[in-house]
Amino acid sequence: GENVEQHPSTLSVQEGDSAVIKCTYSDSASNYFPWYKQELGKRPQLIIDIRSNVGEKKDQRIAVTLNKTAKHFSLHITETQPEDSAVYFCAATRGSARQLTFGSGTQLTVLP
Amino acid sequence: SQTIHQWPATLVQPVGSPLSLECTVEGTSNPNLYWYRQAAGRGLQLLFYSVGIGQISSEVPQNLSASRPQDRQFILSSKKLLLSDSGFYLCAWSSGTGVNSPLHFGNGTRLTVT
Repeated sequence: GENVEQHPSTLSVQEGDSAVIKCTYSDSASNYFPWYKQELGKRPQLIIDIRSNVGEKKDQRIAVTLNKTAKHFSLHITETQPEDSAVYFCAATRGSARQLTFGSGTQLTVLP
Repeated sequence: SQTIHQWPATLVQPVGSPLSLECTVEGTSNPNLYWYRQAAGRGLQLLFYSVGIGQISSEVPQNLSASRPQDRQFILSSKKLLLSDSGFYLCAWSSGTGVNSPLHFGNGTRLTVT
């Protein structure tokens, strides 16, 4: 089955700096990679996703890159703000949501 | 638009008592439905998923069971709770058609077994 590894487990950045979270996956057939943000005590919410036919996707301050050859994908947050502080999860699947495998999460703290 | 409702938000139950958590989805038909558990604020573990009424697949052996009596209703149950059942339970849905459909989570139920 799929194995997703996520690094780092914790990340602290100064407000305004960039944050990068990296994930690797094991199943070369995986073709869909969503990212979720979970604030303390709340539900995970989809913030961006990328499909395997695309190498990069951007939405305002958030971008995701995918390297299929190396089997890794990354989340980039620019101009970080205190409200970006949360746990971020990457995930991968070869086709269906029931096969979605999550990374272990990254606690991002943006220091004012 | 689609919405997902999950209740209760918090629950404290003694060991050995029964459990029933309910989840309903609005604004879509024939969704895929899921129950996840999250322990210690990390790690989303898939417990059950359902692709249709009465169709339940279990991902891990455990003290819990799930049922789907209606198209947009998903219930998580236990006959006798264990201390280890404590955690944050999340219901989720995805579109029943097409691949690469994202998961949408409910607000979750924080269960404490005492």
